[in-house]
Amino acid sequence: GAGVSQSPSNKVTEKGKDVELRCDPISGHTALYWYRQSLGQGLEFLIYFQGNSAPDKSGLPSDRFSAERTGGSVSTLTIQRTQQEDSAVYLCASSLVPLRDTQYFGPGTRLTVL
Amino acid sequence: KQEVTQIPAALSVPEGENLVLNCSFTDSAIYNLQWFRQDPGKGLTSLLLIQSSQREQTSGRLNASLDKSSGRSTLYIAASQPGDSATYLCAVKGTGANSKLTFGKGITLSVRP
Repeated sequence: GAGVSQSPSNKVTEKGKDVELRCDPISGHTALYWYRQSLGQGLEFLIYFQGNSAPDKSGLPSDRFSAERTGGSVSTLTIQRTQQEDSAVYLCASSLVPLRDTQYFGPGTRLTVL
Repeated sequence: KQEVTQIPAALSVPEGENLVLNCSFTDSAIYNLQWFRQDPGKGLTSLLLIQSSQREQTSGRLNASLDKSSGRSTLYIAASQPGDSATYLCAVKGTGANSKLTFGKGITLSVRP
């Protein structure tokens, strides 16, 4: 079946602009996660959605970052007033059951802020 | 705060060699541990998931072990092949309702033909 998809695959933007990154999880997966992978920093958790519960936003680095998940499926990560340090690969993952299940990752969106 | 360490950062071996990749974590109160593979420019592919109550998991030429009390896991790759060249990441999931994964920085493996 179809895996996790993300769009765009690459995004180049100018400092100060807003960007939106999209994630389509595997159909039926109730949990959705966003991560950021920066060069030399490893992979860091950003935000987690589970069903209709309030999202866990504990990993968002600043209030310029926000995310929403509409209808329990597609999610959008928005970065406002982008800075050069926001340049990274943004990865989305989904899982069927959040506590015990494997997370399946999308290919990521490579964001470059000039 | 959980910290996950993978040393060395890079490893180069000749084809056919058996090898072990190490992962250590500071907080032994984990729910599970997962090994991922990442090819350049790609997302992560889950290789093996070990629940906290388990000691090891096997898939083909891969075997992952978990020693929760000592905060260690190893990924054993038998008879390595050039196609195994990739970055291998270890991640632990904390206990409780929070499903956050804490990742190591990964080990970049190169298998020479």
